[in-house]
Amino acid sequence: DTEVTQTPKHLVMGMTNKKSLKCEQHMGHRAMYWYKQKAKKPPELMFVYSYEKLSINESVPSRFSPECPNSSLLNLHLHALQPEDSALYLCASSLSQGQGEETQYFGPGTRLLVL
Amino acid sequence: GENVGLHLPTLSVQEGDNSIINCAYSNSASDYFIWYKQESGKGPQFIIDIRSNMDKRQGQRVTVLLNKTVKHLSLQIAATQPGDSAVYFCAGLLPGNQFYFGTGTSLTVIP
Repeated sequence: DTEVTQTPKHLVMGMTNKKSLKCEQHMGHRAMYWYKQKAKKPPELMFVYSYEKLSINESVPSRFSPECPNSSLLNLHLHALQPEDSALYLCASSLSQGQGEETQYFGPGTRLLVL
Repeated sequence: GENVGLHLPTLSVQEGDNSIINCAYSNSASDYFIWYKQESGKGPQFIIDIRSNMDKRQGQRVTVLLNKTVKHLSLQIAATQPGDSAVYFCAGLLPGNQFYFGTGTSLTVIP
């Protein structure tokens, strides 16, 4: 089983709204990732959590706030987004970030539209 | 900066033919590579991976070749089927354990 689930599948929000994206995996993976993907572009790394601690923040604006409540869950809290933040938000997980355990498996993504 | 790139943005092949998708990388420290398939409206799906101590790895209908000398890898799909139509990304692992993705190749299979 290499399943990563994400909810919601689609989200439309205004620039003053607060919303959250959720990601879940039950593979025992200890590293989880958020990526942003614009149309016809590759995924861009936003955040990495390793053993429930934030290990990488790729200079993401503070209107995106990640949270890892436990080893199976990863959230992305959204507040005061801009229309240019509209994109597909992908969650991924890997066994760890250690040698031989880096293979990342992706969820289906949340398609976000900011109006 | 460090990058993993693709030679061609689009590729059209006839059903039943073999497909070859290429990828070049710039950082010789990259020692692990993954090919992903992304269908429209879906997340990237793992296809096959290869480590730098190998130069070839085969899966079901897919083969990945790695040439470290020229920093190039390719994905070969045998007997391409309509269900293979998708965007294919290569991703390379860089120091710091982050993956960087190529720009993607859109494969269209013509029935």
